[in-house]
Amino acid sequence: GEDVEQSLFLSVREGDSSVINCTYTDSSSTYLYWYKQEPGAGLQLLTYIFSNMDMKQDQRLTVLLNKKDKHLSLRIADTQTGDSAIYFCAESGGRRGSQGNLIFGKGTKLSVKP
Amino acid sequence: DTEVTQTPKHLVMGMTNKKSLKCEQHMGHRAMYWYKQKAKKPPELMFVYSYEKLSINESVPSRFSPECPNSSLLNLHLHALQPEDSALYLCASKTAPGGETQYFGPGTRLLVL
Repeated sequence: GEDVEQSLFLSVREGDSSVINCTYTDSSSTYLYWYKQEPGAGLQLLTYIFSNMDMKQDQRLTVLLNKKDKHLSLRIADTQTGDSAIYFCAESGGRRGSQGNLIFGKGTKLSVKP
Repeated sequence: DTEVTQTPKHLVMGMTNKKSLKCEQHMGHRAMYWYKQKAKKPPELMFVYSYEKLSINESVPSRFSPECPNSSLLNLHLHALQPEDSALYLCASKTAPGGETQYFGPGTRLLVL
């Protein structure tokens, strides 16, 4: 399977919470990231977590890491239409990311309905 | 300042042309990266420069030639490209290979005719 996997689509209503899930295979990964990409744009770093942490909160964003299961999630509270984008999970510091390069999942397209 | 700049924003070139993409950062970062992103796909690593030395070349064809003239600047020289090379080319930088955060530029959208 892929090194980093995530579901391809998520649809939510405005005001609801969104939860985007990601699994990875390399237990030696050092950092795990969430990037946001809007159509035609580059990648915006949303948040990241060090592999020895289990949770990080930053305003509307909450990242949960289960290192035993190699599962990462991103929760967006009070989702807005401006949150519609593709969200990439990525890891670095592991076997394939030893030079700090990022190994990406395929991306989850979040659609927010008004 | 967490800005990585890339020029040009858009580029159209023929298969016989020679062009260059430029990436610049003034954050003192010593690791710089080129990624290629095709439509509806994740970015794929092309090259890594660590302390101005090429440390990873992901089996990229020789028609792509990277250059790191100094710690702030990264170039990607393009020659004899193919239409399938049309993509978004993203530059990124990090304090060092083991650093925490990797910042991306806005990308150069390349179309090869």
